[in-house]
Amino acid sequence: GAGVSQSPSNKVTEKGKDVELRCDPISGHTALYWYRQSLGQGLEFLIYFQGNSAPDKSGLPSDRFSAERTGGSVSTLTIQRTQQEDSAVYLCASSLPPGARDTEAFFGQGTRLTVV
Amino acid sequence: AQSVTQLDSHVSVSEGTPVLLRCNYSSSYSPSLFWYVQHPNKGLQLLLKYTSAATLVKGINGFEAEFKKSETSFHLTKPSAHMSDAAEYFCVVSVPPGGGNKLTFGTGTQLKVEL
Repeated sequence: GAGVSQSPSNKVTEKGKDVELRCDPISGHTALYWYRQSLGQGLEFLIYFQGNSAPDKSGLPSDRFSAERTGGSVSTLTIQRTQQEDSAVYLCASSLPPGARDTEAFFGQGTRLTVV
Repeated sequence: AQSVTQLDSHVSVSEGTPVLLRCNYSSSYSPSLFWYVQHPNKGLQLLLKYTSAATLVKGINGFEAEFKKSETSFHLTKPSAHMSDAAEYFCVVSVPPGGGNKLTFGTGTQLKVEL
């Protein structure tokens, strides 16, 4: 596609339910990032995938959070047993491999998650 | 590890006056540096980037930034603010050069432009 696509754009869920957020990166981008943006706060790094390397999961806030990237393309961020503090906008970004000429990250529009 | 500090959480300027948004970084390696802008209810858009070429970088909408290694700074400037510049601006550092590692964001600077 032309850009990074995230779905759904909005998600309202009940506390305790599991949710899955999807990210379709730009074709050919081997790097994929997930960030979380809470109201009035900056962007919090969650997880980073680069090609076939082991992902950098150092930003995942708890073991309720997990992410996978199938076939080096689409990624799914899963939050189990959601809590109200999980409410935020979840942003996905992708970029070309290191060493490429243009390696800036391109961001999707985000998924606004509201836990009620 | 790298980090980035945006020195002002809010900046307010009058339309037509210069804009200065300050950013300092910390990195053990030569960094790549970026400025992103986020308009209300919109996605993040790249304004400009520094990746070890020219230290003065020009971006979109008249913005530019200068990489100063001695001061570990990458301040964003614009000679004349426009109402449409009102948004949140994020300074971002990435190591190694080329964005091949996770992006570390500053906490953001909210720019307000008044008539």
